[in-house]
Amino acid sequence: EAGVTQFPSHSVIEKGQTVTLRCDPISGHDNLYWYRRVMGKEIKFLLHFVKESKQDESGMPNNRFLAERTGGTYSTLKVQPAELEDSGVYFCASSPRTDTQYFGPGTRLTVL
Amino acid sequence: EDKVVQSPLSLVVHEGDTVTLNCSYEVTNFRSLLWYKQEKKAPTFLFMLTSSGIEKKSGRLSSILDKKELFSILNITATQTGDSAVYLCASTRGGGATNKLIFGTGTLLAVQP
Repeated sequence: EAGVTQFPSHSVIEKGQTVTLRCDPISGHDNLYWYRRVMGKEIKFLLHFVKESKQDESGMPNNRFLAERTGGTYSTLKVQPAELEDSGVYFCASSPRTDTQYFGPGTRLTVL
Repeated sequence: EDKVVQSPLSLVVHEGDTVTLNCSYEVTNFRSLLWYKQEKKAPTFLFMLTSSGIEKKSGRLSSILDKKELFSILNITATQTGDSAVYLCASTRGGGATNKLIFGTGTLLAVQP
């Protein structure tokens, strides 16, 4: 069974540019989560989809971040315009109905 | 505010040693506690604990939860260099629609040959 995949693995952009991160969850997992780890801090929750609906987006830092999950399969997280403080590793996780979440390898975003 | 605290922050041991990693939590309406191992990329799931006093075991790794004292431990016996990783502890809350994980900062374990 394929795990959670994320693309790209690493992105380097300049402040003010736009970046879109993609996550493909494990097939059949209705729940999809985005998390972020900034340097030196713990992994923090951004938002949670159940199928295509946003269940909880309380962790989204501001309106420069937009997440979508059209059709309830893969998800994208767009940052527009990117700021220096958006640098970090963005993780995606998916789960069936249980609490156990399975993580992707993350996208390392560097904003210069 | 919900909080998960791990200790120690880092640890260096020699192969064959036994280690104990600690995780304490203050989480409103606590539901479960999870342990993950992160080597280079994706955190990989180790254990999920929901009940006090019931040890979960997988090979040389074991974990237990104490819901009265609000902590969990992860034990690794006969450590190997392949156990070197960051070990993450996370909690979930009940009573809501989301199962978001609340993470600690992790314990960096280095096992020397």
